[in-house]
Amino acid sequence: NAGVTQTPKFQVLKTGQSMTLQCAQDMNHNSMYWYRQDPGMGLRLIYYSASEGTTDKGEVPNGYNVSRLNKREFSLRLESAAPSQTSVYFCATKREGLYEQYFGPGTRLTVT
Amino acid sequence: QKEVEQDPGPLSVPEGAIVSLNCTYSNSAFQYFMWYRQYSRKGPELLMYTYSSGNKEDGRFTAQVDKSSKYISLFIRDSQPSDSATYLCAVANQAGTALIFGKGTTLSVSS
Repeated sequence: NAGVTQTPKFQVLKTGQSMTLQCAQDMNHNSMYWYRQDPGMGLRLIYYSASEGTTDKGEVPNGYNVSRLNKREFSLRLESAAPSQTSVYFCATKREGLYEQYFGPGTRLTVT
Repeated sequence: QKEVEQDPGPLSVPEGAIVSLNCTYSNSAFQYFMWYRQYSRKGPELLMYTYSSGNKEDGRFTAQVDKSSKYISLFIRDSQPSDSATYLCAVANQAGTALIFGKGTTLSVSS
């Protein structure tokens, strides 16, 4: 029972390159989230998905796209990476009807 | 005014000390409160949650919510070096669709 897994753990991109961050959960939770964490800024919500087939913008969605592939998987795509997207990205899940979220181990992304 | 305010510290205490970590929030409609612990280069880990005013205890940890003053606290008794981490408070938004986090307080417990 792995909980929430994220791949890759680390990534270095050049400005303008694209990549997809993957998140998978085996907790059978309906809701999934993507956050970024920056020094002095805390955790900020990028996008979330309340259920398979639905996605909604969070606080900082610009420059990102998401896909809720199925109940288990939620991916985050950077189409044209910028240095301002250098951050640690966390995926989280939540069970329907509750409020607590469970986080993955994170992806450290550097854009040069 | 930020929706959730948290003093970033850092906070340094000797082993065995009682630690008090605090947050304030702005919206009196918030009803669900959580504390997360985040070790360096790891994901946030749910530590405690509470859905009401008052105290909730779990071992050496006590979460306290005072809705009248919109104040959230986490107390750690007999602190240990293994408690050294960043502690994040969080509240659920009114729709229950997302969490709003404080910026985190970094705690260091020295032996």
